[in-house]
Amino acid sequence: NAGVTQTPKFQVLKTGQSMTLQCAQDMNHEYMSWYRQDPGMGLRLIHYSVGAGITDQGEVPNGYNVSRSTTEDFPLRLLSAAPSQTSVYFCASRTVAGGSYEQYFGPGTRLTVT
Amino acid sequence: GENVEQHPSTLSVQEGDSAVIKCTYSDSASNYFPWYKQELGKGPQLIIDIRSNVGEKKDQRIAVTLNKTAKHFSLHITETQPEDSAVYFCAASIGSNYQLIWGAGTKLIIKP
Repeated sequence: NAGVTQTPKFQVLKTGQSMTLQCAQDMNHEYMSWYRQDPGMGLRLIHYSVGAGITDQGEVPNGYNVSRSTTEDFPLRLLSAAPSQTSVYFCASRTVAGGSYEQYFGPGTRLTVT
Repeated sequence: GENVEQHPSTLSVQEGDSAVIKCTYSDSASNYFPWYKQELGKGPQLIIDIRSNVGEKKDQRIAVTLNKTAKHFSLHITETQPEDSAVYFCAASIGSNYQLIWGAGTKLIIKP
């Protein structure tokens, strides 16, 4: 199993540009989520999904869109990048069955907006 | 909104000594409390978790304690080793889907 994969690893954008961060998992997990990690602030939930076709907002959803057309993929779209979106982005997944809430994280995407 | 406070932000201990990291949470409905370890350049990885119906849980050198009345939980690492050096995050669940609210992290440094 590859686990959770994210692409790209690094990205530099200019203010106003759009892009999609890719996330895929091969563990057949129903629950997937996107976080951003900023220095001194821990991880903050952007959006999450409990299954294909179902998404919901987290703590900091503004400026980001998500969709979940398959169980495996959960892309995060930045509509019009702003310097405040400079961060490290992590995708995570977990099962919703069996009483385990362990989240499995991808390696992250480091995004810089100039 | 709901929050989780974590202390200290940096902890330096001598190899072989114990380390304790503390967290407090605000949502009295939280019932799941995981601890994650993040090594440089990697995503966080679960090291131990505890449910609200349990006061303490151990796994070899790692233990977590929970005081629901005080809304306080702690991570204890005994006999620290160089490979324990990392950033540690606590979190507390909110909502019916067990979303997590995270602490700001503790950088643990093990001195040889």
